[in-house]
Amino acid sequence: GENVEQHPSTLSVQEGDSAVIKCTYSDSASNYFPWYKQELGKRPQLIIDIRSNVGEKKDQRIAVTLNKTAKHFSLHITETQPEDSAVYFCAASLRGSTLGRLYFGRGTQLTVWP
Amino acid sequence: EAGVTQSPTHLIKTRGQQATLRCSPISGHTSVYWYQQALGLGLQFLLWYDEGEERNRGNFPPRFSGRQFPNYSSELNVNALELEDSALYLCASSLQQFFGPGTRLTVL
Repeated sequence: GENVEQHPSTLSVQEGDSAVIKCTYSDSASNYFPWYKQELGKRPQLIIDIRSNVGEKKDQRIAVTLNKTAKHFSLHITETQPEDSAVYFCAASLRGSTLGRLYFGRGTQLTVWP
Repeated sequence: EAGVTQSPTHLIKTRGQQATLRCSPISGHTSVYWYQQALGLGLQFLLWYDEGEERNRGNFPPRFSGRQFPNYSSELNVNALELEDSALYLCASSLQQFFGPGTRLTVL
């Protein structure tokens, strides 16, 4: 099955700086890559996703890039704010597959210092 | 529109007991996915139900089971509880874009 690896496990940045979280996947058939943000004590929330026919997607301060050849994708957060502090999870799946499940990375604890 | 709901919020059991967790997907969604999130770990896939049938299962022992009802709500049962079953159990609705608030299971 698919294997998703996520780095780094922890990331500390100063407010206003950029943060980058990277993930790799093993199954070249995976075609859907969502990112979730989980604040302490809360449920994971989808913040952005990308499909394999797109190389980059942006939503305000958040962007995701995908390199299908290298099988890696990254989350970029610009102009970080203290409220960006959370655990971020990447995931991969074969959208449209009868398997249906998401394969998650182990998460990155992002801390933004004021 | 109501989101994904789960009950109970918290559940405390002792080793060997059984736990039943419940999930209601977003109205109109027919799939329910269950994930286990142990402390400090990512989300581990447990089960996927769609249209009342189990479609896929993760690498968990058979004492983890469940079912989906005609109204598409779902139940996760964990038998013969072990200490390491302590975790946050999350369910997600179709497309897995929406997660429920989770059930925090503590096994003493």
